[in-house]
Amino acid sequence: DTAVSQTPKYLVTQMGNDKSIKCEQNLGHDTMYWYKQDSKKFLKIMFSYNNKELIINETVPNRFSPKSPDKAHLNLHINSLELGDSAVYFCASSYPPGQGGDTQYFGPGTRLTVL
Amino acid sequence: EDKVVQSPLSLVVHEGDTVTLNCSYEVTNFRSLLWYKQEKKAPTFLFMLTSSGIEKKSGRLSSILDKKELFSILNITATQTGDSAVYLCAGVTGSEKLVFGKGTKLTVNP
Repeated sequence: DTAVSQTPKYLVTQMGNDKSIKCEQNLGHDTMYWYKQDSKKFLKIMFSYNNKELIINETVPNRFSPKSPDKAHLNLHINSLELGDSAVYFCASSYPPGQGGDTQYFGPGTRLTVL
Repeated sequence: EDKVVQSPLSLVVHEGDTVTLNCSYEVTNFRSLLWYKQEKKAPTFLFMLTSSGIEKKSGRLSSILDKKELFSILNITATQTGDSAVYLCAGVTGSEKLVFGKGTKLTVNP
């Protein structure tokens, strides 16, 4: 009965590689998000999708490309990984703006380590 | 620029103590303020506050919002070791973007 799930939970890779993180929610929400939490625990939004359409893109390098095949999934693809990309990436979901979308439910996180 | 500031950044108390965590915010077209608890993994939702002066309560936790002073507090009474966590405050903008503070790390010692 997992609400928001992410895979993988841990990802260790070399600089320059390309990797993807997957996120799925079974809450029936229309809106999904990606957040990055750095080593100082600061949680910052990266992207938001509403019903497969991008609505927030917070000046994230274009090496990061979110993809939403349907409203229950929001995957994050990262090209040419850099050391500074090491962080925990959280996926979240909510109801749409104006329909109780303030409260977001978070996935367990993916800890990415770039060597 | 949207900004949420939490204080203190870190707090160490003994079981049974009462703590107050602070959050001040400046967000565009403010909609609501959220409190989350983050232990080892995902932040878990605690409270959503939209109206000034109305206390939200859940067990030993309570929270209140002051929209005039752009401020919220989270109180925890009779703290237990299981309350040890990072408590995150987030302001929600008019476009429903969450702007998080850096969190308050609470450690409750037996």
